[in-house]
Amino acid sequence: GIQVEQSPPDLILQEGANSTLRCNFSDSVNNLQWFHQNPWGQLINLFYIPSGTKQNGRLSATTVATERYSLLYISSSQTTDSGVYFCAAMEYGNKLVFGAGTILRVKS
Amino acid sequence: GAVVSQHPSWVICKSGTSVKIECRSLDFQATTMFWYRQFPKQSLMLMATSNEGSKATYEQGVEKDKFLINHASLTLSTLTVTSAHPEDSSFYICSAFPGDRGPEAFFGQGTRLTVV
Repeated sequence: GIQVEQSPPDLILQEGANSTLRCNFSDSVNNLQWFHQNPWGQLINLFYIPSGTKQNGRLSATTVATERYSLLYISSSQTTDSGVYFCAAMEYGNKLVFGAGTILRVKS
Repeated sequence: GAVVSQHPSWVICKSGTSVKIECRSLDFQATTMFWYRQFPKQSLMLMATSNEGSKATYEQGVEKDKFLINHASLTLSTLTVTSAHPEDSSFYICSAFPGDRGPEAFFGQGTRLTVV
């Protein structure tokens, strides 16, 4: 099955700083999503981005499908951005395969 | 976005008892739902695919007799952890795709199970 790798595993930022999270996947995909898991465990949909670039406020994402990676950009980070960020790619049967996640801590 | 709701949000049960977790799609119909398990500080691992009106499909290594899945309607799937043991303590999350409203998966808020 498809393999999904995320980096870095942990990230500590000062409030106001920018960051880039990376997701590599082992095979071509037609569905790739980014999620933020808040401290209560809820998965919040950030982007559906199998290819191209999208922006939503301070967050943006880019997927280069031919090179099998996706990037999530967080600008002007805030303490509320803290949590775990997951990317997930779809394989057969509409099954999402998750990466190990990036734990982000934003300090005030 | 679409709304997927789980109940309960958390549950504590005694070893040997069974616990039922519900997953509902509130504003769309879902012929398929997915159940994931997440251990502390780990990622989400797919346990099974729940299919409306037919048997669930379990991932390798997941005991189907221990994790009973029923998908009796287009808006409800249930996961029953039978004869629970402390090692079953985990965070269980369901998801579904709204289909005609887009290709994204949406997740319930999760259920934290503690077996004592």
